[in-house]
Amino acid sequence: GAGVSQSPSNKVTEKGKDVELRCDPISGHTALYWYRQSLGQGLEFLIYFQGNSAPDKSGLPSDRFSAERTGGSVSTLTIQRTQQEDSAVYLCASSWDFNQETQYFGPGTRLLVL
Amino acid sequence: KQEVTQIPAALSVPEGENLVLNCSFTDSAIYNLQWFRQDPGKGLTSLLLIQSSQREQTSGRLNASLDKSSGRSTLYIAASQPGDSATYLCAAQGGSEKLVFGKGTKLTVNP
Repeated sequence: GAGVSQSPSNKVTEKGKDVELRCDPISGHTALYWYRQSLGQGLEFLIYFQGNSAPDKSGLPSDRFSAERTGGSVSTLTIQRTQQEDSAVYLCASSWDFNQETQYFGPGTRLLVL
Repeated sequence: KQEVTQIPAALSVPEGENLVLNCSFTDSAIYNLQWFRQDPGKGLTSLLLIQSSQREQTSGRLNASLDKSSGRSTLYIAASQPGDSATYLCAAQGGSEKLVFGKGTKLTVNP
């Protein structure tokens, strides 16, 4: 079947605007993860979902970041009042279950905040 | 707090050479250790996953080992090819379910 898909693939926005990033996980995968890859910073965990609930939100950088997942499938990562330091590649991954399962990654959304 | 380090940051080898990429982690209480490949402008591709109870995993020309007691994992690539050129990332998964990544080793295999 299809892999993890993310949209948009690229997003350019102005500082202060809100953006929404979407992730469609592999069908049947119950766990979904968001990561951020900044230049020179490596991959940084943001949040994960088990079903529709997010047990660990500790990785979200600030209260401008929020995420939701509906129907145990699609997830949306929202960044409010974007700042230039939010510029990064946002990667989504999914797995059959959390804990000891291979995570399959999407191609990412490249966000540039001007 | 788990920290993952990868050495070297970059490696350039001639085609056909066998090579080893190193990964170290500070907290040995992990569920698994995963190796990924990332091509420029692309997402991550899972290569190998080693459960905490395992010592190694093999897939084709790739072999990954895990030594929890010393906090180390290695990825061995046999008979390297130009198509192996990519950034290789290791990640440790611990009790919080999240993956903690190293910064990667950028590999270039020269024809």
